[in-house]
Amino acid sequence: AQSVTQLDSQVPVFEEAPVELRCNYSSSVSVYLFWYVQYPNQGLQLLLKYLSGSTLVKGINGFEAEFNKSQTSFHLRKPSVHISDTAEYFCAVSPGGYNKLIFGAGTRLAVHP
Amino acid sequence: EPEVTQTPSHQVTQMGQEVILRCVPISNHLYFYWYRQILGQKVEFLVSFYNNEISEKSEIFDDQFSVERPDGSNFTLKIRSTKLEDSAMYFCASSRDSHWNIQETQYFGPGTRLLVL
Repeated sequence: AQSVTQLDSQVPVFEEAPVELRCNYSSSVSVYLFWYVQYPNQGLQLLLKYLSGSTLVKGINGFEAEFNKSQTSFHLRKPSVHISDTAEYFCAVSPGGYNKLIFGAGTRLAVHP
Repeated sequence: EPEVTQTPSHQVTQMGQEVILRCVPISNHLYFYWYRQILGQKVEFLVSFYNNEISEKSEIFDDQFSVERPDGSNFTLKIRSTKLEDSAMYFCASSRDSHWNIQETQYFGPGTRLLVL
């Protein structure tokens, strides 16, 4: 069975500081990896995804993530955050060949001025 | 930009009542999904739907739940005889297609917050 662990439930950070949101997964099969963001009162929006190829994936809003197979991690990073990045961030995996997404518990990113 | 819409945004119901949550997927999408998130817990997959039938469902999706695409635009989740533990945010999602070895992006709606009293 597959599972996703987001190690931090909340991450406070000051504006313009770098941030890393951690995600680890477990799976006995190959997986596809995703990061979604949820702004208040909105649905989940895809930030980026890893399917294959380069392990460094760039997404929207200046975010990027690196797939590390040996550490089964897919951490999300941004070099300089803005107040508008305040949101809930979800890491998810999809077992290869299946449609469903398996989500982590989410990390609430709070950017302070 | 096309988006997935869901109605209602909030629903309050009495235990034992039936509820129908509605979703309008993106128009050229072929795969449809329901997820739920109980307050403070993970987003959980419920069911995926393709070509007018369920393609996969989770253990949560028991006989109490059903899905339907009653017309060319709507996708509904029916919960019969609601229970207190059905209180959650329910998300609908759709994707254009899905092939083996290629994962199409799932686009999510804003959710319906269901409260069972």
